[in-house]
Amino acid sequence: DSGVTQTPKHLITATGQRVTLRCSPRSGDLSVYWYQQSLDQGLQFLIQYYNGEERAKGNILERFSAQQFPDLHSELNLSSLELGDSALYFCASSVGGQSYNSPLHFGNGTRLTVT
Amino acid sequence: GENVEQHPSTLSVQEGDSAVIKCTYSDSASNYFPWYKQELGKRPQLIIDIRSNVGEKKDQRIAVTLNKTAKHFSLHITETQPEDSAVYFCAASKASGRIQGAQKLVFGQGTRLTINP
Repeated sequence: DSGVTQTPKHLITATGQRVTLRCSPRSGDLSVYWYQQSLDQGLQFLIQYYNGEERAKGNILERFSAQQFPDLHSELNLSSLELGDSALYFCASSVGGQSYNSPLHFGNGTRLTVT
Repeated sequence: GENVEQHPSTLSVQEGDSAVIKCTYSDSASNYFPWYKQELGKRPQLIIDIRSNVGEKKDQRIAVTLNKTAKHFSLHITETQPEDSAVYFCAASKASGRIQGAQKLVFGQGTRLTINP
C-alpha cells in the first residue's frame, strides 16, 4: 500500500457528462500529481500541485481542471467527456518543496469509462 | 520541455538471463531519473532511482547507469525471474530553482518485459 488513496476505483459515465476524481496524498506529502494512462499507453503528465498551489502543467485539456485543498487532498474535474477520455487516471504524491526532486508514490488509480 | 524516449517497447528474455532497457532524455538540466515497474492492472511502483551526481546505482539484481554527456540512462536486471515480467517505465525530471516545489516528472513510453521459463 503506497498510502495514496484514490476514489472512486471505477467510474462509468456518458459522453458530455462531468466527473470528479479524488485523491488523498500520503501523510506528510505536500505535492500531488495527476497522470492519465490510456490503454497500452504510457503515463501522461497532467498537472502538479504543491501545498495548494499549481506548480507544473502538462498537456492537460481545457475541459479538465484540478485543485488542491488546504487539507492537501486534490480533485481532478473532467467535463464534457468524450469517448477518448476513457483511461486510468493516477494520482501520485511526494514530499516536495526541496531543492532536489523526490520520489513519486502512486495511488491505485481511477478507471474512467465513457460510453 | 523534457522528452524521454525508451527502447525497446517489448523485450522477451529467458529466465536467468539479463535484461537491459535504455532511455534517452532531451533536457540537459534534468537531474533525477527514477524507474517504475507496473504489473497488469496495478499502480506504478518505484524500483530504483538515480540522481545526476551519481553514475551508477545498484540494488540486488537491479542496477541503473547514467551517462550525462550522452543524456541516456539504462536499467539492468540480472538473473531474471518470472515475477520480473511487467511493464517498466523510465522517467526524468529536474528541480526548479525558480518555483518552489515544482517537479514535472516525464515518463518514457514503457517496455513490456516478458520472462520466459
